[in-house]
Amino acid sequence: DAKTTQPPSMDCAEGRAANLPCNHSTISGNEYVYWYRQIHSQGPQYIIHGLKNNETNEMASLIITEDRKSSTLILPHATLRDTAVYYCIVRSWTGANNLFFGTGTRLTVIP
Amino acid sequence: ETGVTQSPTHLIKTRGQQVTLRCSSQSGHNTVSWYQQALGQGPQFIFQYYREEENGRGNFPPRFSGLQFPNYSSELNVNALELDDSALYLCASSSDRVTEAFFGQGTRLTVV
Repeated sequence: DAKTTQPPSMDCAEGRAANLPCNHSTISGNEYVYWYRQIHSQGPQYIIHGLKNNETNEMASLIITEDRKSSTLILPHATLRDTAVYYCIVRSWTGANNLFFGTGTRLTVIP
Repeated sequence: ETGVTQSPTHLIKTRGQQVTLRCSSQSGHNTVSWYQQALGQGPQFIFQYYREEENGRGNFPPRFSGLQFPNYSSELNVNALELDDSALYLCASSSDRVTEAFFGQGTRLTVV
């Protein structure tokens, strides 16, 4: 699976959009971009995933660049409950469960 | 609430002892993976079980072993505990029909 690079930490004002970047320059054609988050002392939670098209669900939007070498997770209206560590993971489709986490981005939403 | 339950929630063991952690997967899920998360680090993949067979392993020594039962619940066994085994152990379940993994709340193991 391709390696990902994320900033270690970010702050965001409550109610504003949080944009979390991820670089995955070695991604291959059959690899998906997944995002999970981990709120303190809880298990990771799935947010969204995509292959090459932009994706949106009730939690977030995922923007993948045309060359697929980077992506951005967007939380449109951040709340205090969105404070967590966000992990960007690149993996092939075969099996959704052997995930290789990096150190992620610690997002702090500020009142 | 993911439907994945782990037991116990906390555990203290002495160096050299053995420990067994348990995980009940979400109904209908046939795949279980185990992860170790040291303080301040992301979860590290230990191994995965699919229909009672190990079908993937991370960079962990053989003293980390597991089982998956016919009801797809799972155990993680760690022998000859070392101080560095102190961590949060996470279990995640999935199936062929879902695209994401569902994690339990974890077991906090402390080795003294």
